[in-house]
Amino acid sequence: AQSVSQHNHHVILSEAASLELGCNYSYGGTVNLFWYVQYPGQHLQLLLKYFSGDPLVKGIKGFEAEFIKSKFSFNLRKPSVQWSDTAEYFCAVNRGGSYIPTFGRGTSLIVHP
Amino acid sequence: NAGVMQNPRHLVRRRGQEARLRCSPMKGHSHVYWYRQLPEEGLKFMVYLQKENIIDESGMPKERFSAEFPKEGPSILRIQQVVRGDSAAYFCASSPFEAGTDTQYFGPGTRLTVL
Repeated sequence: AQSVSQHNHHVILSEAASLELGCNYSYGGTVNLFWYVQYPGQHLQLLLKYFSGDPLVKGIKGFEAEFIKSKFSFNLRKPSVQWSDTAEYFCAVNRGGSYIPTFGRGTSLIVHP
Repeated sequence: NAGVMQNPRHLVRRRGQEARLRCSPMKGHSHVYWYRQLPEEGLKFMVYLQKENIIDESGMPKERFSAEFPKEGPSILRIQQVVRGDSAAYFCASSPFEAGTDTQYFGPGTRLTVL
C-alpha cells in the first residue's frame, strides 16, 4: 500500500528562520504531488503541486518544493518564515490519473514573532 | 461564490447515537468527496459521490457508515451507532468534474466527538 511520511510532526521557528518540511512516499510509479496548508480555523488550501516538468515547483506565499524522484521525496521549503505561516502542513500523493490521494499525517508549524 | 460549507462544525454524540454530517458543495459543483482525519493521522479518503450516485466508496467502513448526495440538498455522511473510535475530523471537498486533489475545494470540516 502507498504511504506518505512526514517526518517532522511539530516544528517551532522564529520569524526569518528558514523552513524545510520533509515528505517521502512509497509508491514507485508515476505520481502527482501536493502540499496543502490549513491555517487555524480555516479550510485546507492548496500551496503547490507537481505533475511533471521542472522538479522545482514554486507555490503561493513564497513556498517552493523539490521533487527528487530517486529519493521519493517532495520537501517543502521557505527561505524566511513569517508569523502568519503558523499552520498545519500536509503532503499528499496521487498515483498518476487517480483522484484518490494519500495524505501524510501533517506537520504543525509554529512561528514565533 | 460561497465556498464548501459543512455543518455542524462541531458535533458531540454519546455512544450508540447517530451522527449526521452535512456538506454543501460550491455552486456548480456536482462531485463530492469525503475524508476522515483521525487524531495524529493524515486525511484518509472515504467516499466519492456524484449527484444521486456513489462512484467510489472504497474508503468507507463496511458497517454503520453511509453517504448520499441527493438531487437536491447537501451531501450527507451518516454514522449509525457511533463509537469512541469514530471521533475525528470529517472533511468534505467538491469539484465541478472528476478531479484530483488540485482542483478539489475543501470545507472547514466537522469535528465529531463521541463521549
